[in-house]
Amino acid sequence: AQSVAQPEDQVNVAEGNPLTVKCTYSVSGNPYLFWYVQYPNRGLQFLLKYITGDNLVKGSYGFEAEFNKSQTSFHLKKPSALVSDSALYFCAVRDILTGGGNKLTFGTGTQLKVEL
Amino acid sequence: DAEITQSPRHKITETGRQVTLACHQTWNHNNMFWYRQDLGHGLRLIHYSYGVQDTNKGEVSDGYSVSRSNTEDLPLTLESAASSQTSVYFCASSESWASGTTGELFFGEGSRLTVL
Repeated sequence: AQSVAQPEDQVNVAEGNPLTVKCTYSVSGNPYLFWYVQYPNRGLQFLLKYITGDNLVKGSYGFEAEFNKSQTSFHLKKPSALVSDSALYFCAVRDILTGGGNKLTFGTGTQLKVEL
Repeated sequence: DAEITQSPRHKITETGRQVTLACHQTWNHNNMFWYRQDLGHGLRLIHYSYGVQDTNKGEVSDGYSVSRSNTEDLPLTLESAASSQTSVYFCASSESWASGTTGELFFGEGSRLTVL
């Protein structure tokens, strides 16, 4: 079975400071990993994904994520946070061994709050 | 532009009533999914479909059903609504693995259901 854990319900950061939102995963084989963002009263939007290759993945809105196989982690990062980054962030995983269909398992979400 | 739409966006119903939430996508995606979002649980998969006439149960399928008669639509039915089914429901779609994509889901804006 595949799963992801987001250990922090909320992350607070000052605007201009770097931010990190943590995610760890568990899969039987090799993972496909994703980050999504949700703004209030909206659906989830895709931010970035790791499939294979470079462990540092760049995505939308200046976000990036670092895949670490030994620590089974895929933390979301941004060098300089903006107030407009305040939203709910979800990590998701797909186990390559599950075959077709792209069924994703989501974490419980981390609320990011960026303050002036 | 291709899109995925859900209706109704908000619904209030009574315990025991049948409710159907509509999902329509114009991406021509084979894969469609229904998730529910609850505080502390993140997104949990209810049902999913890999193509016309194909439906599968997710992790929280009890009390829900879906049918897939065409590519564009995957309606979610609550046969006899219960208060525990008060939630925000999201429909999503993606291309099939066979197409060579890596699984991004495209989400609708959500349907907020309250069961009194």
